Amino acid sequence: EPEVTQTPSHQVTQMGQEVILRCVPISNHLYFYWYRQILGQKVEFLVSFYNNEISEKSEIFDDQFSVERPDGSNFTLKIRSTKLEDSAMYFCASSDTGLADNTGELFFGEGSRLTVL
Amino acid sequence: RKEVEQDPGPFNVPEGATVAFNCTYSNSASQSFFWYRQDCRKEPKLLMSVYSSGNEDGRFTAQLNRASQYISLLIRDSKLSDSATYLCVVDRSNDYKLSFGAGTTVTVRA
Repeated sequence: EPEVTQTPSHQVTQMGQEVILRCVPISNHLYFYWYRQILGQKVEFLVSFYNNEISEKSEIFDDQFSVERPDGSNFTLKIRSTKLEDSAMYFCASSDTGLADNTGELFFGEGSRLTVL
Repeated sequence: RKEVEQDPGPFNVPEGATVAFNCTYSNSASQSFFWYRQDCRKEPKLLMSVYSSGNEDGRFTAQLNRASQYISLLIRDSKLSDSATYLCVVDRSNDYKLSFGAGTTVTVRA
């Protein structure tokens, strides 16, 4: 079964350092997303990406964050100058369709756990 | 008011029991509704979409009440493997900018 893969599974970094989280969405999917989940809290939307540009972003996704699809397969989330409160599980997700017909499914990767010290 | 609210539980039920719980959402313009399942420290996985007419998938039944702005999930004949956190998820605008509830924890005991 095709799946979304994420690397690294766990990254520990010092406050102020830059982090890049990598995702390989399912190959024929067109819509890509990053969500995050702080330990013990709910899953939160960060950003959606379609046709090589951001289609929507939340208030969490400030100038510290950026996303990129550098080639045909990878989708990355960069966090510049990490803060303690960036510690969370970051989930990448992809879909082959928008929800207009309510038949699409969002597939999540297993997540990258970021710990900022 | 939170966009999506759920009773956190935990619901602790014996195998074979029926368990049901609700979720309320604040935005009446919300378009799509889902139940996801999340096992401890794992990714959310789609359990089922929720359709206006209500829908069933095996032992799971989902209902949507737009007038009262709530969604329900009922699990019949609970199995040990049903132990998980169930996430109520709402999409306001059919673009997968999903709003997640904090989850309802269900524990099925032998």
